[in-house]
Amino acid sequence: EAQVTQNPRYLITVTGKKLTVTCSQNMNHEYMSWYRQDPGLGLRQIYYSMNVEVTDKGDVPEGYKVSRKEKRNFPLILESPSPNQTSLYFCASSSRTGTDTQYFGPGTRLTVL
Amino acid sequence: GQQLNQSPQSMFIQEGEDVSMNCTSSSIFNTWLWYKQEPGEGPVLLIALYKAGELTSNGRLTAQFGITRKDSFLNISASIPSDVGIYFCAGLYGGYQKVTFGTGTKLQVIP
Repeated sequence: EAQVTQNPRYLITVTGKKLTVTCSQNMNHEYMSWYRQDPGLGLRQIYYSMNVEVTDKGDVPEGYKVSRKEKRNFPLILESPSPNQTSLYFCASSSRTGTDTQYFGPGTRLTVL
Repeated sequence: GQQLNQSPQSMFIQEGEDVSMNCTSSSIFNTWLWYKQEPGEGPVLLIALYKAGELTSNGRLTAQFGITRKDSFLNISASIPSDVGIYFCAGLYGGYQKVTFGTGTKLQVIP
């Protein structure tokens, strides 16, 4: 079954404690992206990756890092989380750019205390 | 980043009614996308529009890419209870690599 998986689905952490949210897709997609969703703001793109070792900033990259060492994985790293990063995070992938159907993961709800 | 204004923010409609929502921007986009998100799920693509003036249907859904490339609308005809959800528009720019989402329209259908 074609899918995008994210882990964990829920996470409560404290300010400053480094964390990683994993994202994996089994569709051999080149394009992957991370979004955060906040009430009244819709989804905002954090980072995207066109292929292995190719990443670039989206609209709200501050406080986040990503890496793309393998085609299937695109982890989101918060080196020093802060409360304003409390949000619902989605990973997405598509075969080319965002013009192709993006498959979204189930979401990770992060709370930073 | 680019800004997308989506309206209305929310709608309560009677089952069977038609629905219309739109997105506008001061910026030009290369592609317009419409997504639906149900509670606890990620967004799912409904319609993609690639050319200015393009009108595309997907069942009871119809969307258009504005001729100025700065707006798009989505119509849902004869709404049913399973249409409930949040509808997002999204615009692509920057060589089709960057995506900006609208703030969403929350649709409630009263049976």
